[in-house]
Amino acid sequence: KQEVTQIPAALSVPEGENLVLNCSFTDSAIYNLQWFRQDPGKGLTSLLLIQSSQREQTSGRLNASLDKSSGRSTLYIAASQPGDSATYLCAVNQYRDDKIIFGKGTRLHILP
Amino acid sequence: DGGITQSPKYLFRKEGQNVTLSCEQNLNHDAMYWYRQDPGQGLRLIYYSQIVNDFQKGDIAEGYSVSREKKESFPLTVTSAQKNPTAFYLCASRVTGTNEKLFFGSGTQLSVL
Repeated sequence: KQEVTQIPAALSVPEGENLVLNCSFTDSAIYNLQWFRQDPGKGLTSLLLIQSSQREQTSGRLNASLDKSSGRSTLYIAASQPGDSATYLCAVNQYRDDKIIFGKGTRLHILP
Repeated sequence: DGGITQSPKYLFRKEGQNVTLSCEQNLNHDAMYWYRQDPGQGLRLIYYSQIVNDFQKGDIAEGYSVSREKKESFPLTVTSAQKNPTAFYLCASRVTGTNEKLFFGSGTQLSVL
């Protein structure tokens, strides 16, 4: 059974720092991996989608990498801002049944 | 505006009652999903549907039922068999295909009276 793990569960950093969020998955038979942002009491917003054949994707200050063979992905946030404070979740779309499985998320707090 | 609409935003259920959560999308997406989120937890898949009149169980389908009679609509019924229904419920949709982003509604908070 696919398991998606996100470390750390929570993170507080001063404004302006670069930071890395981690995501690991146990079954590498995936179509893609997505990173999402969730604000309290709200739905999720897709940030980046990396196809299984890709190594990384970039959008503005965000860069996501994927190492499918080792079952790992990272989300790099450059020059963090207070507005980046939110919960970040990763999800994998697995081959065998097309399910999309989520990790529990990393709760990020950027200190002004 | 295109998007996914979930209603109501807040819902209260009495003991032994069935309640239905609405999810409507005007994005012309084929695939639709229902997830449950408990405080401090990730999302767990309840049901998903890739075409009209067809749906599959997710990891926690017991106590829930769905229908997919129209492409735009994927209602979720929380039955009295679901003994711990208090949670945040999220509906999502996407274009069918191997590398299409998932889009979410704004969620429904269900609580037990």
